[in-house]
Amino acid sequence: KAGVTQTPRYLIKTRGQQVTLSCSPISGHRSVSWYQQTPGQGLQFLFEYFSETQRNKGNFPGRFSGRQFSNSRSEMNVSTLELGDSALYLCASSPDGADQPQHFGDGTRLSIL
Amino acid sequence: QKEVEQNSGPLSVPEGAIASLNCTYSDRGSQSFFWYRQYSGKSPELIMFIYSNGDKEDGRFTAQLNKASQYVSLLIRDSQPSDSATYLCAVNSPRDDKIIFGKGTRLHILP
Repeated sequence: KAGVTQTPRYLIKTRGQQVTLSCSPISGHRSVSWYQQTPGQGLQFLFEYFSETQRNKGNFPGRFSGRQFSNSRSEMNVSTLELGDSALYLCASSPDGADQPQHFGDGTRLSIL
Repeated sequence: QKEVEQNSGPLSVPEGAIASLNCTYSDRGSQSFFWYRQYSGKSPELIMFIYSNGDKEDGRFTAQLNKASQYVSLLIRDSQPSDSATYLCAVNSPRDDKIIFGKGTRLHILP
């Protein structure tokens, strides 16, 4: 069974630009969660999507948004990039939700210049 | 009070010894508990999950849960240098319907 696939693996952007990250969950998993990981803050929850609906959202500004498609694939968008957005962005999938084990993709390393 | 707390370490353990990693959580309604291992530069990898009070064993790993004390631990027997990593404790939050991660404990196995 294929794992969680995230693309791209690395991105370099400049301040003010926007970026879209992609995540394909494990086949059959309907819940996709996004996290931001930085050395100082650890893993911070961004949002969770289930059946194309955002089911939960963390404490991030509106510049961070996402969506989920009918095949459970998900995208995350960050607009008006800031230096502080430099981080590892991780996607995790589970069959149905937050009380189940989540499996992570390899992540997208985003660097803002 | 932080929702999920772990000692940041580093925790240094001799090869072959038992490594004991601890985690406390604040939400008494939590029902699902997870341990992830994260090597430097890699993504977290699920190694154990536990839902019921008591112990759960899987190979060299044992997860222990005490809901009354709001405490979950991970024991690694016969520690190997390849066990050197950061271990993340994660707990579900029924109130917020999400999983909350601790900041992790760095484990260093001394050859």
